[in-house]
Amino acid sequence: GAVVSQHPSRVICKSGTSVKIECRSLDFQATTMFWYRQFPKQSLMLMATSNEGSKATYEQGVEKDKFLINHASLTLSTLTVTSAHPEDSSFYICSARDPRSSGYTFGSGTRLTVV
Amino acid sequence: GNSVTQMEGPVTLSEEAFLTINCTYTATGYPSLFWYVQYPGEGLQLLLKATKADDKGSNKGFEATYRKETTSFHLEKGSVQVSDSAVYFCALMIQGAQKLVFGQGTRLTINP
Repeated sequence: GAVVSQHPSRVICKSGTSVKIECRSLDFQATTMFWYRQFPKQSLMLMATSNEGSKATYEQGVEKDKFLINHASLTLSTLTVTSAHPEDSSFYICSARDPRSSGYTFGSGTRLTVV
Repeated sequence: GNSVTQMEGPVTLSEEAFLTINCTYTATGYPSLFWYVQYPGEGLQLLLKATKADDKGSNKGFEATYRKETTSFHLEKGSVQVSDSAVYFCALMIQGAQKLVFGQGTRLTINP
């Protein structure tokens, strides 16, 4: 079946630094990927839709200059949290749409802690 | 707008107990409905889905029926196992859109 690899699984960074999270579709090409943020005991909130070769579409209230998304190839999307602050600490999850089945496959998530 | 409300957890049951996790939704169009499961340390996996009213999705002993009249998609299993311990998410997608809207998740723990 479709597999999405997300890396790193955990990262701790200092306040003010930037962190890059990668999301790769391993056995299919994904023209569309999605980035979610999950707060403790809360739902997954869609942050943005990443489109290969074009600009990402951000959800209302998400700062596009803070959460930079790049989808330069059909198998890789990256989310960069710029100038991270403690309030950015969260669980970030990516998802990719498999065009073969129209199903959605999720990465295992990245736990970001900003200290 | 579109939203999903799930039964608040955590839910703790004994092995072989009957499980129900409630899910209701509001939607501006005609949604497809999903249940996803997240096992510890893993990504979300599709458990089952239903695309129109009265459809029943089923997988691994779990079932959910799309009830348009009550805007519900409750998840049920007749006899749970320890291996069913996970977080369960109800979700919807409006036809023609690509976005999944998730409920808040329900943590299920099954004790032997």
